[in-house]
Amino acid sequence: KAGVTQTPRYLIKTRGQQVTLSCSPISGHRSVSWYQQTPGQGLQFLFEYFSETQRNKGNFPGRFSGRQFSNSRSEMNVSTLELGDSALYLCASSLTSSGGTRELFFGEGSRLTVL
Amino acid sequence: DAKTTQPTSMDCAEGRAANLPCNHSTISGNEYVYWYRQIHSQGPQYIIHGLKNNETNEMASLIITEDRKSSTLILPHATLRDTAVYYCIVRVGGGGSQGNLIFGKGTKLSVKP
Repeated sequence: KAGVTQTPRYLIKTRGQQVTLSCSPISGHRSVSWYQQTPGQGLQFLFEYFSETQRNKGNFPGRFSGRQFSNSRSEMNVSTLELGDSALYLCASSLTSSGGTRELFFGEGSRLTVL
Repeated sequence: DAKTTQPTSMDCAEGRAANLPCNHSTISGNEYVYWYRQIHSQGPQYIIHGLKNNETNEMASLIITEDRKSSTLILPHATLRDTAVYYCIVRVGGGGSQGNLIFGKGTKLSVKP
């Protein structure tokens, strides 16, 4: 079955602009999480959505936001871009259940460069 | 902050077993040990997880000490394609949020011919 799909794969923006990234989870997966990866900070959790509701949020400013649609697809938005927002943004999907554990399946990421 | 400690880097000869250690001395009774790896320029890939017992799947084996304060990921016959950064993560299992893993720096494994 198809994996997690992220679009666009690469993009270049300038400071002050805003960007929207898209993530289509694996069919049947209802949970979508977003991570930011930079050389200095490594992989950092941004937020997680399940059934269109944000369940968890990492320690990022309000410029970072997201949403999930009824078909489980998710978007994240970064407004007023700063140079430090240049990063690989990774989306991961998983099944969720009332018990047990479920692994995350990551997409290839969207590489954002802010000039 | 990550609750695990891993060596920064390790080398392994192709065809030999790669043993990657992880220290998680503050692990709680309801926390699982997860391993993921990230091959250059790709998203992380799930490898294996466990709670108390040793686990094995088609990719690797996970050995957890009896006191659960440390574990070892074993790749039985490492290949060049196993060169990657390996992350050891502890988190609460069960229901609720599944997505907020806390990644540390990981171990960069280099498999050499």
